[in-house]
Amino acid sequence: DSGVTQTPKHLITATGQRVTLRCSPRSGDLSVYWYQQSLDQGLQFLIQYYNGEERAKGNILERFSAQQFPDLHSELNLSSLELGDSALYFCASSPREGGRETQYFGPGTRLLVL
Amino acid sequence: AQTVTQSQPEMSVQEAETVTLSCTYDTSESDYYLFWYKQPPSRQMILVIRQEAYKQQNATENRFSVNFQKAAKSFSLKISDSQLGDAAMYFCAYRSGLGKLIFGQGTTLQVKP
Repeated sequence: DSGVTQTPKHLITATGQRVTLRCSPRSGDLSVYWYQQSLDQGLQFLIQYYNGEERAKGNILERFSAQQFPDLHSELNLSSLELGDSALYFCASSPREGGRETQYFGPGTRLLVL
Repeated sequence: AQTVTQSQPEMSVQEAETVTLSCTYDTSESDYYLFWYKQPPSRQMILVIRQEAYKQQNATENRFSVNFQKAAKSFSLKISDSQLGDAAMYFCAYRSGLGKLIFGQGTTLQVKP
């Protein structure tokens, strides 16, 4: 158990819908990262937050957005869902930002868009 | 842009034997970190080992060790005394000062009893 929690574990929804994925980082970790794992794209970095502020963006679609709240939990919002958005979405956290820090991953949320 | 390449989609090893998983990366940065993550069937991402680029000594964690060749931009993972529980997908990852992880395509390791 990494100490990072993600809810829900599984999510099944329809095209065009909107979903919210939630992540609680390890106690004391200020930095949160979101990754997407799909069959065709592999593991890709989406976005990073540090202490409530957006720090870096990767291959995140405009239909996707995220935020980190004052209690440090983070939410990833996916809207106008398409079949290709079906994937495993990971949240990871680290104590601080920067390359030295090890990222610890949550169990992931498995999203299936029908 | 940095890239990570794992050229072995699948590998197999006999239980108790040793196996080496390959990884190469491309970067123009001098300060970075390299990781191996394990993803078992549960899909959880588990950190196996990390290596700081400024350290010449290869990292070791119990049965897991790396061969870090900075000039060649190579970062292989050696698993000694392979166990059935080592069966998983293994991802090599690069991390620069910016923080995000860049992953290779993964290598599926099968352990035969």
